[in-house]
Amino acid sequence: GQQVMQIPQYQHVQEGEDFTTYCNSSTTLSNIQWYKQRPGGHPVFLIQLVKSGEVKKQKRLTFQFGEAKKNSSLHITATQTTDVGTYFCAGFGGFNKFYFGSGTKLNVKP
Amino acid sequence: GAGVSQSPRYKVAKRGQDVALRCDPISGHVSLFWYQQALGQGPEFLTYFQNEAQLDKSGLPSDRFFAERPEGSVSTLKIQRTQQEDSAVYLCASSPHRTQQETQYFGPGTRLLVL
Repeated sequence: GQQVMQIPQYQHVQEGEDFTTYCNSSTTLSNIQWYKQRPGGHPVFLIQLVKSGEVKKQKRLTFQFGEAKKNSSLHITATQTTDVGTYFCAGFGGFNKFYFGSGTKLNVKP
Repeated sequence: GAGVSQSPRYKVAKRGQDVALRCDPISGHVSLFWYQQALGQGPEFLTYFQNEAQLDKSGLPSDRFFAERPEGSVSTLKIQRTQQEDSAVYLCASSPHRTQQETQYFGPGTRLLVL
């Protein structure tokens, strides 16, 4: 089974509200990547974090990698309808494996 | 430039049939990955190639699953004697890097339905 968990599983927000998804691993990860998958589409790479405590921003998106390199978060400020999709974290962890999280499905109401 | 392509995009198979799924990675990409994505779940790793060498096949769920990349470019994932639990989207991804830790570029996937 997957060792990377994400919460929440679903999130419904009004356009303009903020959104955060959290990713937790049972083991230390050497890196964390975030992907976005639109409905019916395939995962598209957003960003990679490597360093403990690292924070990166992409316009309205803020990504954090925890100090212990076992958790991460993605925060979207002032969501837009174009943000709709499922956000996956993925990390390289135990047994030299690349693990995807279970995903958080974001729905934005206009 | 062209991204990762996969064919067929959709496949319906009767239980017990063999299927072959094709992946054309981005030209020049060294690494190639196969994932299985069940409905509402994240992709689960199946296997990894670096050029023609299959370096990790630990995610293949059974010996009915077989993958190859004989010339280090196109890859085929074959599933023998398909079963209903094989129904999923099969995603292929490629990367220009020689490690599994770097950015992966995903194809559109093949949606397999086993009846």
